[in-house]
Amino acid sequence: EAAVTQSPRNKVAVTGGKVTLSCNQTNNHNNMYWYRQDTGHGLRLIHYSYGAGSTEKGDIPDGYKASRPSQENFSLILELATPSQTSVYFCASGDAKGWEQYFGPGTRLTVL
Amino acid sequence: GDSVTQTEGLVTLTKGLPVMLNCTYQTTYSPFLFWYVQHLNEAPKLLLKSSTDNKRTEHQGFYATLHKSSSSFHLQKSSVQLSDSALYFCALRESNYNVLYFGSGTKLTVEP
Repeated sequence: EAAVTQSPRNKVAVTGGKVTLSCNQTNNHNNMYWYRQDTGHGLRLIHYSYGAGSTEKGDIPDGYKASRPSQENFSLILELATPSQTSVYFCASGDAKGWEQYFGPGTRLTVL
Repeated sequence: GDSVTQTEGLVTLTKGLPVMLNCTYQTTYSPFLFWYVQHLNEAPKLLLKSSTDNKRTEHQGFYATLHKSSSSFHLQKSSVQLSDSALYFCALRESNYNVLYFGSGTKLTVEP
């Protein structure tokens, strides 16, 4: 049974619109992460969280916000989507020891 | 700051041949390195993680040795299979134990 799930799996948005990507984990991990994956850039960290109520900026936070309302849920918010944010977004969870991150199936976002 | 370099973007091999995917890193802290594998249209998942300096770690026929003297953690396999075709990421665990820095990835294609 999948321990990290993401919704939606595919999303088409318009430029200037608001987009919310959701992530849920049943691993009971404290840490959660949002990455984007683009060819040639690997996985780049956008935001992460140490637990409910906390959010931290990663390497490329501009244009993104994050929300961690509970241990299980972590959302990525694009207030004003732009075509440059077209990408595949992965959510992951990890324990406090940092030995392994468990990834969700990804969300393919297209901003037109 | 911390960084990971994967020099090969694409590697194409014939089934049965050996492979080595390069990974070098830069950090001022004690390094912990990981290899993640991502098959087509799937989520990344952990393949193996580093142990102590100069000790080899193995998983699913792949192996890697952390060499602090050369800041490297190359991934190797003695005989690649068609099912090994995937994207391979090297990652460095950041000093605060909760963040991973990913390399840009190497796409391995194994041909019959």
